[in-house]
Amino acid sequence: EIVMTQSPATLSMSPGERATLSCRASQSVRTNLAWYQQKPGQAPRLLIYGASTRATGIPARFSGSGSGTEFTLTISSLQSEDFAVYYCHHHDNWPPQITFGGGTKVEI
Amino acid sequence: QVQLVESGGGLVKPGGSLRLSCAASGFIFNDHYMTWIRQAPGKGLEWVSYISTSGSTIYYADSVKGRFTISKDKAKNLLFLQLNSLRVDDTAVYYCARVSEAGLFFDFWGQGTLVTVSS
Repeated sequence: EIVMTQSPATLSMSPGERATLSCRASQSVRTNLAWYQQKPGQAPRLLIYGASTRATGIPARFSGSGSGTEFTLTISSLQSEDFAVYYCHHHDNWPPQITFGGGTKVEI
Repeated sequence: QVQLVESGGGLVKPGGSLRLSCAASGFIFNDHYMTWIRQAPGKGLEWVSYISTSGSTIYYADSVKGRFTISKDKAKNLLFLQLNSLRVDDTAVYYCARVSEAGLFFDFWGQGTLVTVSS
C-alpha cells in the first residue's frame, strides 16, 4: 500500500502570502497525484490532477508540481476563500486501494 | 451541470443496516466509474468503494469488505451503498463522487449524507 504523507499539518498564513504544501508518497506514483480543497461543512473539490493540471474553473493562483515521491501545491497569493484543508491523493493505481494524505489545514 | 445528491443517512444502532443513495444528473451516468468516500467527524478522507461503468467491476476498502455493497441502477442514474453490520467506527459523512474519464481521480462530489452509528 502506498502511503501519502502531507506536511505541515497546519499552515498559518496571511492573505496575500504564498503558501507551499507538501505531499510525499512512500513509493513512486509518477505524476498520478491529485489535490483537493475542502472548506468547513462542504464536500471536497478537485483542484489539481496529474500532479500539475488544474481542474476546470480552478484559478491560476493554484499550481501543482512534482513527480515520483515529492509533490507540492502552491497557492501564489492567498485569498480569504483559500483558507481550507487540502488533501493529496494518489490516483491511477489498479486495482484501486485508494489512500489520501492526512491533509494540511491552511489557516489565518 | 453535474449534480450528485446523496440521501439515506441517519442514526442506526451497532449491527444495524442502512442504504445510501446518490442521484446523479447533468452527465452521462453510464460513462463514468462512481465511488463512495467517507469522512469521520473531524478526520480525513477514506475511500470506501468503486463501481465500474457496467457494474461488473467492484472494489472495496478492506475496512468495509464483506459488510458494504455498492450497486447502481443505470436506468435511473442512481448509485447505492448498502451498509450492513454497522460499527461505531463507520460513523461518517458518506460522499458519492464521480470518477473522471481522464484518470482515477474524483472530479465531482455530492454534498454528503451523515451516518451515525450509536447505541
